[in-house]
Amino acid sequence: EAQVTQNPRYLITVTGKKLTVTCSQNMNHEYMSWYRQDPGLGLRQIYYSMNVEVTDKGDVPEGYKVSRKEKRNFPLILESPSPNQTSLYFCASSLRDRVGLGSYEQYFGPGTRLTVT
Amino acid sequence: KQEVTQIPAALSVPEGENLVLNCSFTDSAIYNLQWFRQDPGKGLTSLLLIQSSQREQTSGRLNASLDKSSGRSTLYIAASQPGDSATYLCAVPKGGYGQNFVFGPGTRLSVLP
Repeated sequence: EAQVTQNPRYLITVTGKKLTVTCSQNMNHEYMSWYRQDPGLGLRQIYYSMNVEVTDKGDVPEGYKVSRKEKRNFPLILESPSPNQTSLYFCASSLRDRVGLGSYEQYFGPGTRLTVT
Repeated sequence: KQEVTQIPAALSVPEGENLVLNCSFTDSAIYNLQWFRQDPGKGLTSLLLIQSSQREQTSGRLNASLDKSSGRSTLYIAASQPGDSATYLCAVPKGGYGQNFVFGPGTRLSVLP
């Protein structure tokens, strides 16, 4: 089954304790992204990756790191989480289109609900 | 700066009605536009992707149109059903093309049996 998986699905942690949220896709997609969703602020892009070893900042990258060492995986790293990073996080992937200016549909993971106390 | 708005913010209709959801964007030079649905607490599901060269896309009871010149897209849902209840979001590339996306705030739809 084609899918984007995220782990963990729920996480409660304390300020300053490094954590990693994993994301994996089995569709051989070139593009992957991380989003956070907050009430009143909507869905905002954190980082995206065009391919292995190619990443770029989205709209809210502060406090986050990413890496893309393999095509299927795109982990999100919070090296020193703070309470303002409490949010619902989504990973997404998509296939590069033929022209190369965009992509086909984005497929989203089920989300990771993170609480930082 | 690309901004995306959606009207209405919420909508409640009886089952069977045809309805229209609106998405507006400020920079009309977009490569594509995508519509999603999101069920409470769940991830987003892609509904339709419209390329800039297309005027509309259809999937079952859903039809999405794109008018770049006016900066608008509409999602038409025919013969609505309670299972259509969800939040509907649209998204466009921030710089016109590429993978940096801007999402609208969504329209929360309730279809009453």
